[in-house]
Amino acid sequence: GDSVTQMEGPVTLSEEAFLTINCTYTATGYPSLFWYVQYPGEGLQLLLKATKADDKGSNKGFEATYRKETTSFHLEKGSVQVSDSAVYFCALSDRKAAGNKLTFGGGTRVLVKP
Amino acid sequence: ETGVTQTPRHLVMGMTNKKSLKCEQHLGHNAMYWYKQSAKKPLELMFVYSLEERVENNSVPSRFSPECPNSSHLFLHLHTLQPEDSALYLCASSQIRSGGETQYFGPGTRLLVL
Repeated sequence: GDSVTQMEGPVTLSEEAFLTINCTYTATGYPSLFWYVQYPGEGLQLLLKATKADDKGSNKGFEATYRKETTSFHLEKGSVQVSDSAVYFCALSDRKAAGNKLTFGGGTRVLVKP
Repeated sequence: ETGVTQTPRHLVMGMTNKKSLKCEQHLGHNAMYWYKQSAKKPLELMFVYSLEERVENNSVPSRFSPECPNSSHLFLHLHTLQPEDSALYLCASSQIRSGGETQYFGPGTRLLVL
């Protein structure tokens, strides 16, 4: 079945540091890939997505590129802020799965210190 | 109201109580989902409704009973829960076309079972 693996946290950084969160996936079909973010006390928000190989999703300074050859979708940001402290989830959606089902990774907690 | 709303935001119940969680989406979507988010566990998909029909039921205990009366509303009826059912329950919706579409999440209901 489909699965998503992402690096375990917590990841602790100083403000303006470079952030990378690794994500790899296993899928039988040709999935769409997503990064969701969950701020404290809130639900999940879509951060960015990519629907085909070599697509780059970007939003709020975050980027991730759909790498089919390495089955990866690593999240990067060049200069983090304290407000980026949150839990980040990598996910995939298999287009052939009934109901547009999402498969999530375990989440990576990021803490940015001033 | 915009997006996906959930009520109540917090709920404390005893093991013999019956309660219901409500989700409403204002996005015109045709699919809705219930997820369970427990501490230190990956997000678990519980139920999927597409065009008001249940298309996925991930071996969820019968003490959780979903209801989707129309495309905008989704309920999760709870009865005789166990303390291990304490978690954040997230609702989401999406517009299914060819698959791989984005899911939009509500803020969640934080449930505590005593």
